[in-house]
Amino acid sequence: RKEVEQDPGPFNVPEGATVAFNCTYSNSASQSFFWYRQDCRKEPKLLMSVYSSGNEDGRFTAQLNRASQYISLLIRDSKLSDSATYLCVVRGVSSNTGKLIFGQGTTLQVKP
Amino acid sequence: NAGVTQTPKFRILKIGQSMTLQCAQDMNHNYMYWYRQDPGMGLKLIYYSVGAGITDKGEVPNGYNVSRSTTEDFPLRLELAAPSQTSVYFCASSYSSTGVSYEQYFGPGTRLTVT
Repeated sequence: RKEVEQDPGPFNVPEGATVAFNCTYSNSASQSFFWYRQDCRKEPKLLMSVYSSGNEDGRFTAQLNRASQYISLLIRDSKLSDSATYLCVVRGVSSNTGKLIFGQGTTLQVKP
Repeated sequence: NAGVTQTPKFRILKIGQSMTLQCAQDMNHNYMYWYRQDPGMGLKLIYYSVGAGITDKGEVPNGYNVSRSTTEDFPLRLELAAPSQTSVYFCASSYSSTGVSYEQYFGPGTRLTVT
């Protein structure tokens, strides 16, 4: 079983749609959780951290369910510029190394 | 600040050749990392360093070597290139203090093809 699993998609949605991505992780002792965004042929960039109580940043909402070991990202009112690959990322248990474990990514294509 | 820089951007190697991928950061980050990303796959950690003079293996270290003689630089060496090393290589850095490490910043990547 992969340590971090995501549905690779692609998710094709019209502008203005709401879309949700889920991700599961295997190690229940994992400490920190993130969503990174990666544009085509570019480096990953941090989109948002995911906190236990859930958190929102504009049109983006992240949720964490520790009991079920899954993380979600909700994007409201999708824009063309949201088209990218979204990487679910979990910090390893040995947090003093800062090591991150990446999912393979979920591709989103927002169409006019 | 330039952030994390990587050179070269692209490279084609023949099987058996060697090369060094350069990575530098000017953010005074203590932690640095090398990842590879194969098409349609997530990033896999090759090597990492928690400070100058300290390196350790990640998930996929075979065929690679690293050194960290300064805080700023973290070169990745391929000694005998193989087709399986065709990939995009990303260098990243982060700051860590008292057991808490923060966001990883990535360089633009090096696209390597081994034929």
